Amino acid sequence: NAGVTQTPKFRILKIGQSMTLQCTQDMNHNYMYWYRQDPGMGLKLIYYSVGAGITDKGEVPNGYNVSRSTTEDFPLRLELAAPSQTSVYFCASSYEQGGRTEAFFGQGTRLTVV
Amino acid sequence: GDSVTQMEGPVTLSEEAFLTINCTYTATGYPSLFWYVQYPGEGLQLLLKATKADDKGSNKGFEATYRKETTSFHLEKGSVQVSDSAVYFCALSAMEYGNKLVFGAGTILRVKS
Repeated sequence: NAGVTQTPKFRILKIGQSMTLQCTQDMNHNYMYWYRQDPGMGLKLIYYSVGAGITDKGEVPNGYNVSRSTTEDFPLRLELAAPSQTSVYFCASSYEQGGRTEAFFGQGTRLTVV
Repeated sequence: GDSVTQMEGPVTLSEEAFLTINCTYTATGYPSLFWYVQYPGEGLQLLLKATKADDKGSNKGFEATYRKETTSFHLEKGSVQVSDSAVYFCALSAMEYGNKLVFGAGTILRVKS
């Protein structure tokens, strides 16, 4: 059972470059989330989705875009990378929203923008 | 203010010591409360949860009791092991936050043998 799979695990970007962080889940969960984790700051919600074709902004959406064309996939796009986007990114999914059921997390993507 | 406040780390303990990691929250009504754990190099995973006042969540020797009167959900373990070394996140889910998980800053636990 793969759960939530994120790729890549590590990436170094130059300022202004773009990239897509991939996330896929095989649990048929409707709800998917992208968080960023900064030291001492916990996890901040970037974007979330309640089902295929539906996405919405979280707490810190600026500089990011998402799409949800299938139930399984929820990619996160950085269009013009900035040093402030250096962080660890986690994708998560759950059967129901928020804390009603357990949220499952991927292993994370460590992104450095130089 | 912050919706979830955890004690700052790192917390360093010797094996078999007693562990307490404090967590307090700000929310109206009755949020659901959680502890997630992140082992080195891995994503977060649910450790335990409680959905109503006075409930006790427990798992792997860890416990936390939902205290409405003190708006707290402190994590405890009677005897820690080296394998418990990880980052522990307190979190809540409440209608006023759109029923999405809101996390505290995390507390690093280091257990020495």
